[in-house]
Amino acid sequence: SQQGEEDPQALSIQEGENATMNCSYKTSINNLQWYRQNSGRGLVHLILIRSNEREKHSGRLRVTLDTSKKSSSLLITASRAADTASYFCATERGTYKYIFGTGTRLKVLA
Amino acid sequence: GAVVSQHPSWVICKSGTSVKIECRSLDFQATTMFWYRQFPKQSLMLMATSNEGSKATYEQGVEKDKFLINHASLTLSTLTVTSAHPEDSSFYICSASSGGREGISEETQYFGPGTRLLVL
Repeated sequence: SQQGEEDPQALSIQEGENATMNCSYKTSINNLQWYRQNSGRGLVHLILIRSNEREKHSGRLRVTLDTSKKSSSLLITASRAADTASYFCATERGTYKYIFGTGTRLKVLA
Repeated sequence: GAVVSQHPSWVICKSGTSVKIECRSLDFQATTMFWYRQFPKQSLMLMATSNEGSKATYEQGVEKDKFLINHASLTLSTLTVTSAHPEDSSFYICSASSGGREGISEETQYFGPGTRLLVL
């Protein structure tokens, strides 16, 4: 399969709660990236984590990477209604070429 | 910085016609552009990688004669869906990479807003 797997496929939480999404991949990577996609729009880059990094923060986002388990997680703290979107992980498959995971559809209820 | 545009944003056409979609990097030179296809509630499927001045590299299962890609300059790539059929209806998204030039992360892809194609 071209893609990695993400879980859950869909997640619904209340505003203010934390949201955690997981991504698993199959081959060795140099880095892994997380993107957000609002409905019917293009993707927005959120964060990149390299294979020699274990954790990275950006505002309310926290990304972890476990290369031994070939998995990554994205944590959004204190979620807001505006965080409602689909979230994708992407792993490198060649020079600047990335393959996207199946995605998690997050819905944050006000 | 690092803005990518796509045109048109949506298009409706009759079966059998060809449709051209443009992808432009507005404020940086894109050494590499990527074309993706996305079905409703699904992930992005990479169709092809295009480098300026050379032939595109297509992913397995993507018909190169069906989806013509031209990367004529460092700021423009086009995808032409030839003889479109209803099964070609989809959301097409392009992305661009600077290759590390102009101080833009070489590893980050910048995405266009997408083009929704409906073939009747």
